[in-house]
Amino acid sequence: EPEVTQTPSHQVTQMGQEVILRCVPISNHLYFYWYRQILGQKVEFLVSFYNNEISEKSEIFDDQFSVERPDGSNFTLKIRSTKLEDSAMYFCASTLDSPQGQPQHFGDGTRLSIL
Amino acid sequence: GENVEQHPSTLSVQEGDSAVIKCTYSDSASNYFPWYKQELGKGPQLIIDIRSNVGEKKDQRIAVTLNKTAKHFSLHITETQPEDSAVYFCAAPGVGGQAGTALIFGKGTTLSVSS
Repeated sequence: EPEVTQTPSHQVTQMGQEVILRCVPISNHLYFYWYRQILGQKVEFLVSFYNNEISEKSEIFDDQFSVERPDGSNFTLKIRSTKLEDSAMYFCASTLDSPQGQPQHFGDGTRLSIL
Repeated sequence: GENVEQHPSTLSVQEGDSAVIKCTYSDSASNYFPWYKQELGKGPQLIIDIRSNVGEKKDQRIAVTLNKTAKHFSLHITETQPEDSAVYFCAAPGVGGQAGTALIFGKGTTLSVSS
């Protein structure tokens, strides 16, 4: 079964540094998402992306965050200047076609640790 | 915007018993309700979903019921097995109530099945 793959599985970064999290969505999917999960808490929406632009974003997704689809397969989340509170699991998800109401499929996440 | 409440936060059952997890939502326009299972170190895995045009959906030992009038939906697991032990999340669409938009998650239920 096709999967969403995320790299790296664990990223350790010094506070203030930039970090890029990478995702390869399922190949024929059109909508892409980033969510985060602080340890022991619920999954929170960050941003959705369709047709090379942001569709929706949450209050969490401030100017320090950006997303990009640099080529036909990768979808990236960049945090420009990391803070301690950015430590969390970051999940990428994709769905085939939003208007058709297809379910979102999640990767196994990147654990981001800010020191 | 949508608000999703989930109960209980923890649930312990004996192997073979049934488990029920309940969620309420606030946006009457929501029309799609997925349930995700999250095992330790993994991303959320879709286990079942329901759309607002049906009241119940079953898939082997798992079922979901939806009461649109009361704005609540429930996950039912019958004949529980130790491998059902995980964190379960309910979710609902965040914007406009449409499937494929950002998901708003409940806080999760930690299910423990003891043999």
